[in-house]
Amino acid sequence: ETGVTQTPRHLVMGMTNKKSLKCEQHLGHNAMYWYKQSAKKPLELMFVYNFKEQTENNSVPSRFSPECPNSSHLFLHLHTLQPEDSALYLCASSQDSGDPYNEQFFGPGTRLTVL
Amino acid sequence: AQTVTQSQPEMSVQEAETVTLSCTYDTSENNYYLFWYKQPPSRQMILVIRQEAYKQQNATENRFSVNFQKAAKSFSLKISDSQLGDTAMYFCAFMNNNAGNMLTFGGGTRLMVKP
Repeated sequence: ETGVTQTPRHLVMGMTNKKSLKCEQHLGHNAMYWYKQSAKKPLELMFVYNFKEQTENNSVPSRFSPECPNSSHLFLHLHTLQPEDSALYLCASSQDSGDPYNEQFFGPGTRLTVL
Repeated sequence: AQTVTQSQPEMSVQEAETVTLSCTYDTSENNYYLFWYKQPPSRQMILVIRQEAYKQQNATENRFSVNFQKAAKSFSLKISDSQLGDTAMYFCAFMNNNAGNMLTFGGGTRLMVKP
């Protein structure tokens, strides 16, 4: 595997379910990001991790819980979601989050549908 | 807070012709970066071109070039000799030099290149 991978690619869940999204980067980067891409809104940054430490939480509801066990893996744990949370969830990585010149590399996304 | 506006939700262009996508932004910062990202259908988002605000010279990457007008807060993307593979969503993005590697995206422009 190369670049940034995300699993699953598609997920359908009920509002009472608990599920997790997984992101893995094979680029040796130290920063990882979660974005939400909704049909009617611009891409929104959700969380930033730099060297496994969370450095940004963009006022995301607590029903979204990120986890970064190491610099290569990032999870987004989901519970009691709402239908309006249906979106494409994109993961990205960069060398580190402190240098604005570092390019972010994106994964293919997980298409989430909440019923 | 910064905002990024892409006023053209959809555009089309004939193969081999030139097309310009518009982007305006609002910020009180003086040091920042601007980006154009491409998201092909069902494929990963990739960086097309980047511009540092302190550079007066417009960035160019092969068939892609920008027209950066700092005073007008405008950052348009010109695609020359359009190819079928250029069909994609194009996102303009802003990054404040003092806020790490955090991107603010516009709503996107869907570009269709017609044979």
